[in-house]
Amino acid sequence: DTAVSQTPKYLVTQMGNDKSIKCEQNLGHDTMYWYKQDSKKFLKIMFSYNNKELIINETVPNRFSPKSPDKAHLNLHINSLELGDSAVYFCASSQLIRRDRGSTDTQYFGPGTRLTVL
Amino acid sequence: AQSVTQPDIHITVSEGASLELRCNYSYGATPYLFWYVQSPGQGLQLLLKYFSGDTLVQGIKGFEAEFKRSQSSFNLRKPSVHWSDAAEYFCAVGAGAGGFKTIFGAGTRLFVKA
Repeated sequence: DTAVSQTPKYLVTQMGNDKSIKCEQNLGHDTMYWYKQDSKKFLKIMFSYNNKELIINETVPNRFSPKSPDKAHLNLHINSLELGDSAVYFCASSQLIRRDRGSTDTQYFGPGTRLTVL
Repeated sequence: AQSVTQPDIHITVSEGASLELRCNYSYGATPYLFWYVQSPGQGLQLLLKYFSGDTLVQGIKGFEAEFKRSQSSFNLRKPSVHWSDAAEYFCAVGAGAGGFKTIFGAGTRLFVKA
């Protein structure tokens, strides 16, 4: 009955490899997000999708590519991994309240994926 | 641009003592405001939120927060802290105006001493 799930929970890989993180939500929300949390706990938005449409694309290297096959899934693929990509990546979902203001309700977070690049 | 400031990087309180975590925001319109808690190794969980109405909002685990428009603040309080409250606390503002973002503060780490 997990609301937002991510796999894998831990990911250890070598520099230069390509890896993917999967996210699924069973809350019926229309908006999903990827965040990166660094070692100082700072939470930075990377991407957001609303009804499978990309609505937020922050200044993120194009080695990162999100894919949303449907409203319930938002996957993150990372090419040519670098040491600086090591962090915890959180998926989240929420429901859009007012599209004209771009305001969303509470975000529900997954447990996180700890990525370590060696 | 919208922003959220949590002035205290970390706070230490004794178990049973009262707690106040500060949050200031910068946003042109009426904000949607949130407090989230993150326990070690976990994702963030909502404690409470303010959209409109009564400026004093109650949340889970005995937390409350007060929205003060004149001070652009949304401080989190708890009258008596328990050891299990030790965690990272994030204030956030739902930045609308078509932005679709929620802007998070840098977080305040709460330590509870026996």
